[in-house]
Amino acid sequence: QQQVKQSPQSLIVQKGGISIINCAYENTAFDYFPWYQQFPGKGPALLIAIRPDVSEKKEGRFTISFNKSAKQFSLHIMDSQPGDSATYFCAATSNTNFGNEKLTFGTGTRLTIIP
Amino acid sequence: DTGVSQNPRHKITKRGQNVTFRCDPISEHNRLYWYRQTLGQGPEFLTYFQNEAQLEKSRLLSDRFSAERPKGSFSTLEIQRTEQGDSAMYLCASSLWERADTQYFGPGTRLTVL
Repeated sequence: QQQVKQSPQSLIVQKGGISIINCAYENTAFDYFPWYQQFPGKGPALLIAIRPDVSEKKEGRFTISFNKSAKQFSLHIMDSQPGDSATYFCAATSNTNFGNEKLTFGTGTRLTIIP
Repeated sequence: DTGVSQNPRHKITKRGQNVTFRCDPISEHNRLYWYRQTLGQGPEFLTYFQNEAQLEKSRLLSDRFSAERPKGSFSTLEIQRTEQGDSAMYLCASSLWERADTQYFGPGTRLTVL
């Protein structure tokens, strides 16, 4: 059972444009939603994360939008640059009573920024 | 470099052989996680440690897999009698227990089973 669904699988955006990646989750116990960026041959690196008590979080050119009722969240990359070309994973976990905060990942989006 | 390190970075082995990977977490982190990532997929949870105690194992972790963290610092993941289906990137992550949702990943060990 895939608990976090991610789309699109691949995305090509022109330099300076806005990249948008979407995720939907099923488990209502999830309460922490990070995005990871992964370059070829490297491990995933935490990019930005949000908790469901806010609908939006912005860090520099990266913004997460969160819709709790729809159980959806998305990553927006403003002014996309060639250096943003990477694979992006959304993830989710539950952080109750300091239990096992294992991350459940989406299937990834390969983002390519073209000049 | 104070990040998570993993060794070796690449391992090629023949089917039926045993392999062992090592993970050195960020020094003050008491939580350590192992994930597996196959081509075109997101990482999947395998197991995790709180200090030296292994607290949960995924159903993905068959009897051929064993993980240890003997002194609560580095961890090893051993795969016995490797199969071609074991070919994947094995990722290690670490965190503080009170911030276990914020996990820092190592570069991974890419295993190829011929």
